[in-house]
Amino acid sequence: DVKVTQSSRYLVKRTGEKVFLECVQDMDHENMFWYRQDPGLGLRLIYFSYDVKMKEKGDIPEGYSVSREKKERFSLILESASTNQTSMYLCASSLWTGGAGTEAFFGQGTRLTVV
Amino acid sequence: GESVGLHLPTLSVQEGDNSIINCAYSNSASDYFIWYKQESGKGPQFIIDIRSNMDKRQGQRVTVLLNKTVKHLSLQIAATQPGDSAVYFCAENAFSGGYNKLIFGAGTRLAVHP
Repeated sequence: DVKVTQSSRYLVKRTGEKVFLECVQDMDHENMFWYRQDPGLGLRLIYFSYDVKMKEKGDIPEGYSVSREKKERFSLILESASTNQTSMYLCASSLWTGGAGTEAFFGQGTRLTVV
Repeated sequence: GESVGLHLPTLSVQEGDNSIINCAYSNSASDYFIWYKQESGKGPQFIIDIRSNMDKRQGQRVTVLLNKTVKHLSLQIAATQPGDSAVYFCAENAFSGGYNKLIFGAGTRLAVHP
């Protein structure tokens, strides 16, 4: 079974802290994604990566950065956490298919609260 | 004053009835669509997918219908069970700049009553 593991289920951080959310997948997928999920807004794409050391901005990248040093690991970084970044964060991975869409496999989510 | 939060649309059904969840997508060039189920406290899980060269696909107790003319997708669940209670998301695949991205709808909550 595909497994996408996020390092924390729940996090509480203070405003201004630097926050790292870690994600690891075990299926050798090329593509990895970070979404945030807020009630009534669905899942919004923050950043994605299609290869090691490569990254692309999604729809809401402001206030975030990412790191992909190894194929299996994709980290989301909140440079200076703010209360409006309180949310559920979801990591996902998928195979590179060269154009044809394919399903993404999700982790269990990290609920981040910034106080 | 107090701000009003965004609320998910909710579909309430009786156990044993059929459920139909609808979704409108935005990009006429999208060629691949997925339905995900998200239970409380969990990440989204794949239910069924369909490519744009099809208009119907069936799985176990689930059917997805695609109407490209009006950019509409639906998920039908037969004989709905309490375990089907969850939030359901449709997603469309957008291929741009050489990359595939899944774009999600806001979701629909399915509540199954005994």
